[in-house]
Amino acid sequence: DTGVSQNPRHKITKRGQNVTFRCDPISEHNRLYWYRQTLGQGPEFLTYFQNEAQLEKSRLLSDRFSAERPKGSFSTLEIQRTEQGDSAMYLCASRQTGDGYTFGSGTRLTVV
Amino acid sequence: SQQGEEDPQALSIQEGENATMNCSYKTSINNLQWYRQNSGRGLVHLILIRSNEREKHSGRLRVTLDTSKKSSSLLITASRAADTASYFCATPPNRDDKIIFGKGTRLHILP
Repeated sequence: DTGVSQNPRHKITKRGQNVTFRCDPISEHNRLYWYRQTLGQGPEFLTYFQNEAQLEKSRLLSDRFSAERPKGSFSTLEIQRTEQGDSAMYLCASRQTGDGYTFGSGTRLTVV
Repeated sequence: SQQGEEDPQALSIQEGENATMNCSYKTSINNLQWYRQNSGRGLVHLILIRSNEREKHSGRLRVTLDTSKKSSSLLITASRAADTASYFCATPPNRDDKIIFGKGTRLHILP
C-alpha cells in the first residue's frame, strides 16, 4: 500500500492522559501536514513539515500539542493532558511540491 | 481563518441528476482544489485547477474557476449513490503552502 497510513485508527483515552498518533506519508513526498476535524466542520490546519523541518504551527496548536518528523519520514503528533475538547478526527496528509494532497484515513480521538 | 466557503451546505438530488456545488474564496490563489470525504473517512483529492485555468474535467467531474469573482464550481454529472459524501474546496491563501478548507457541501444521492 503506497498511500498515507495513520495509526491508530481509533483512540479512546481518559481526560488528562497523553496520546500519540503516527503518520507514515508516501515515501517520496517531502511535505507532511496535520489537520484536525470536528463533526460537521472542514479540516483545520495544525502544522506542516518540509522534510524534518516544522515550518508552520497554527495557533490552534496549544502548548499541549507537539509534532515531530525526526528523520523526514514518518511523523508523530502528541497531545499531553488531553481534554474533552481535543476529541476530533486527526488527519495527516503528504504531498510533493505542486501536487494535490494525499490524506490518510485519520485517527479518531475520543476523550472521556 | 476560513478561506473557502461552499454553497449549498447540503444538497439532495435523485440518482442520475447532475449536482453542482460552489465555492467562494477571499484572497488571491495559485490553485484551488476539490476533495471528497465519505462519512468518517479521510479526504480524497478530486481535482486541482490552477489560477490560469478556467475549466478542468476529470471523468464525470467538471470544475470551473473564475478568479475575477473568486469563485469555483464543481459539477458532478449523472450522479450515483456512491457520490454521497461531503465535498470541500481548499485553497492555499496568499501563496502560502498549507491549504485551508471550507465547511463543505454534504451531498446525498437519493435512489
